[in-house]
Amino acid sequence: EVKLLESGGGLVQPGGSMRLSCAASGFTFTDFYMYWIRQPAGKAPEWLGFIRNKANGYTTEYNPSVKGRFTISRDNTQNMLYLQMNTLRAEDTATYYCCLNYAYWGQGVMVTVSS
Amino acid sequence: DVLMTQTPVSLPVSLGGQVSISCRSSQSLVHSDGNTYLHWYLQKPGQSPQLLIYRVSNRFSGVPDRFSGSGSGTDFTLKISRVEPEDLGVYYCLQSTHFPNTFGAGTKLELK
Repeated sequence: EVKLLESGGGLVQPGGSMRLSCAASGFTFTDFYMYWIRQPAGKAPEWLGFIRNKANGYTTEYNPSVKGRFTISRDNTQNMLYLQMNTLRAEDTATYYCCLNYAYWGQGVMVTVSS
Repeated sequence: DVLMTQTPVSLPVSLGGQVSISCRSSQSLVHSDGNTYLHWYLQKPGQSPQLLIYRVSNRFSGVPDRFSGSGSGTDFTLKISRVEPEDLGVYYCLQSTHFPNTFGAGTKLELK
């Protein structure tokens, strides 16, 4: 059974940084692209980016809206996915999801950017 | 960015009824590999989005055949027949043909 469990959310001040983690299990982690998606309360989801699988060199793609501030990485020895978020703004407040192939989603973790 | 326009925004339905949701993209979703990466999700209150249909018309594992997807190019439709209480929520379309991948704004399916 595929399981994705995000952690690391909470309250952060504007301009601050935060790293989200996603623990993955139930599938061969290195075989799959992994995605981060966020959803502000009451709004549609927004694709943030993904990191490719082993066969494609673990390269990354980002939404221009976060490129340069957000970094996606993975630890393939621990089956972990990460989202490093820097220079956070109020508009980054949302629930953040990790996602496998757009098919399986974690339960999400809330990030609030506020002073 | 590819704009995904979903209609209607709200869709009242009676249990047992049939509904259709439209999703139109601002450019063709046919990828250079020949596939069309248009997907449909249902998000129930307090839950993560769940995949219903992938690549226009393929039902995801465990999705009942009451759900069907169709369309091509820029015009896509999700049909739900014999609506059941567990079908209520917000439906989103997603295109993953072009970067950045983009979602529609959602259609809320609710009881009349």
